[in-house]
Amino acid sequence: DTGVSQNPRHKITKRGQNVTFRCDPISEHNRLYWYRQTLGQGPEFLTYFQNEAQLEKSRLLSDRFSAERPKGSFSTLEIQRTEQGDSAMYLCASSLGDEAFFGQGTRLTVV
Amino acid sequence: AQTVTQSQPEMSVQEAETVTLSCTYDTSESDYYLFWYKQPPSRQMILVIRQEAYKQQNATENRFSVNFQKAAKSFSLKISDSQLGDAAMYFCAPNAGGTSYGKLTFGQGTILTVHP
Repeated sequence: DTGVSQNPRHKITKRGQNVTFRCDPISEHNRLYWYRQTLGQGPEFLTYFQNEAQLEKSRLLSDRFSAERPKGSFSTLEIQRTEQGDSAMYLCASSLGDEAFFGQGTRLTVV
Repeated sequence: AQTVTQSQPEMSVQEAETVTLSCTYDTSESDYYLFWYKQPPSRQMILVIRQEAYKQQNATENRFSVNFQKAAKSFSLKISDSQLGDAAMYFCAPNAGGTSYGKLTFGQGTILTVHP
């Protein structure tokens, strides 16, 4: 097991385009979280899954954002009609108990 | 809703010396965990130490220890014998407790610089 894996590591997109990120959690972990981190700030919670069920979504997650976790394994986070304000690092974490393990993140730049 | 305040945007320490990073938080939960995470320039968040709120004994993990004051909602991190590899951004983060127990609320972070 190599930990939480996120792809791509970097993504540059033009404003208005759609982007999708993938997170592969640690295999036995039933909980998966998405956070957004802007430069110099702490991560902000976006949403989390227990197995395939999305249990909570932050008000930060506008209608342009959607997340899925089919079959309770990997997860995808899609941003539609990207805006410059979406530029950030998107972090994924997984857990089985109280300790969350983080991936290296996907850095999104919207130009 | 939880809030977390890290009042020291930046701290510096000489190698082999001791430094303390402060954190205060607010929560309505009675049963929760508190974490300190380290984020080196490579950006992957790494757990440094955890504290269970119902335990009075302060957690210790090698050179890292905490001073947990539950009534004051204070959770500081002490790093002893600082090493160059300790240089990173440090985040204090309580979890939500209850059914959202894994969800973390992060502070603004403290950048730690270690001078040789």
